[in-house]
Amino acid sequence: AQSVTQPDIHITVSEGASLELRCNYSYGATPYLFWYVQSPGQGLQLLLKYFSGDTLVQGIKGFEAEFKRSQSSFNLRKPSVHWSDAAEYFCAVGARGSTLGRLYFGRGTQLTVWP
Amino acid sequence: KAGVTQTPRYLIKTRGQQVTLSCSPISGHRSVSWYQQTPGQGLQFLFEYFSETQRNKGNFPGRFSGRQFSNSRSEMNVSTLELGDSALYLCASSLQGDETQYFGPGTRLLVL
Repeated sequence: AQSVTQPDIHITVSEGASLELRCNYSYGATPYLFWYVQSPGQGLQLLLKYFSGDTLVQGIKGFEAEFKRSQSSFNLRKPSVHWSDAAEYFCAVGARGSTLGRLYFGRGTQLTVWP
Repeated sequence: KAGVTQTPRYLIKTRGQQVTLSCSPISGHRSVSWYQQTPGQGLQFLFEYFSETQRNKGNFPGRFSGRQFSNSRSEMNVSTLELGDSALYLCASSLQGDETQYFGPGTRLLVL
């Protein structure tokens, strides 16, 4: 069965510092991978996605993520964090074809940004 | 293009009542998925509809049901509400052939 693990429940960084949020997944084939961000009381906003091809994908707001098949990971990175990046971040995996319309989510990583 | 819209945004109900939530997908999107988000369980998949047919269902009791109309708008219904049904209910839409899901702002349900 598909599963997603986000090992860090809460991360605190200073504004301007670099950021890496970890995501590991379990799936038998190459999955679709996503990162979403959620601000308090809001829905999920898509940051970026990986379907195939180049394993380093660029997203909105200066975020990027790298797919590493050998490590079953899809970590999210940002070189310089802004105070407005404070939010909760979710990694998700979708299976090709067989689990129609269903994404499996990690438990999320809450990001706090110190000024 | 307008995003996914959900109504109402907030609801307060009492135990035993039923509730209907509505979701309008992005224009042209025919797939609508529903999720429940709680602090304890995280994001859990409820069901997915495509062309008025339920194609996939998560592990929720039969009190949770849904439907989709010919214009792709979707509703979900929860009957005999329980305190544990208090949650943020999110719907998401996607294009046929594209697994990318775009989420609405959610409906916050509080059951007293």
